Amino acid sequence: QKEVEQDPGPLSVPEGAIVSLNCTYSNSAFQYFMWYRQYSRKGPELLMYTYSSGNKEDGRFTAQVDKSSKYISLFIRDSQPSDSATYLCAMSAGGNQFYFGTGTSLTVIP
Amino acid sequence: ETGVTQTPRHLVMGMTNKKSLKCEQHLGHNAMYWYKQSAKKPLELMFVYNFKEQTENNSVPSRFSPECPNSSHLFLHLHTLQPEDSALYLCASSQEPGGAGGYTFGSGTRLTVV
Repeated sequence: QKEVEQDPGPLSVPEGAIVSLNCTYSNSAFQYFMWYRQYSRKGPELLMYTYSSGNKEDGRFTAQVDKSSKYISLFIRDSQPSDSATYLCAMSAGGNQFYFGTGTSLTVIP
Repeated sequence: ETGVTQTPRHLVMGMTNKKSLKCEQHLGHNAMYWYKQSAKKPLELMFVYNFKEQTENNSVPSRFSPECPNSSHLFLHLHTLQPEDSALYLCASSQEPGGAGGYTFGSGTRLTVV
């Protein structure tokens, strides 16, 4: 069983839509959760960082962590064509090892 | 640029060649990492350096050899690679060991082994 499961998509939405991206995990010890955005031909860029459970909001982005369900989400409101990228979730129990999802490819159509 | 610079951006090498990938960060970060990114697979952690000391070798074949001469520079030396080693190699750094505050990634080196 993979440590982290993420639907690869591709996901295609019209401009202005609300986007929901999700990851599930199996290790109940995970307590650090992150979302990265990766544009084509670029490295991943940290979008959101959450410690333990709860919600975190930053502009149009909201990250949610539900540790009881081992489920994390990233919501993008009022999606823009510039949001078109691959979104990676990552999580860790501490130590050197972060476990990444395979990434979800998102296209926002003008 | 993110603050982490990788060179070269693209590399094509034969299986008998020796080449090196270079990574440089001037963010004052204390930890540096090599990751491998292959299509449809999660990022694979290869090596970790905390305060210039290697603290993790994630069962990486010996044909990959890292070097960290100082806290700002990281190299990945490559020799006798296999076609399956073709991938995007990403360097990352973090303020604190473990990366709990998040990584800063470079743009990667796209490696093709022929």
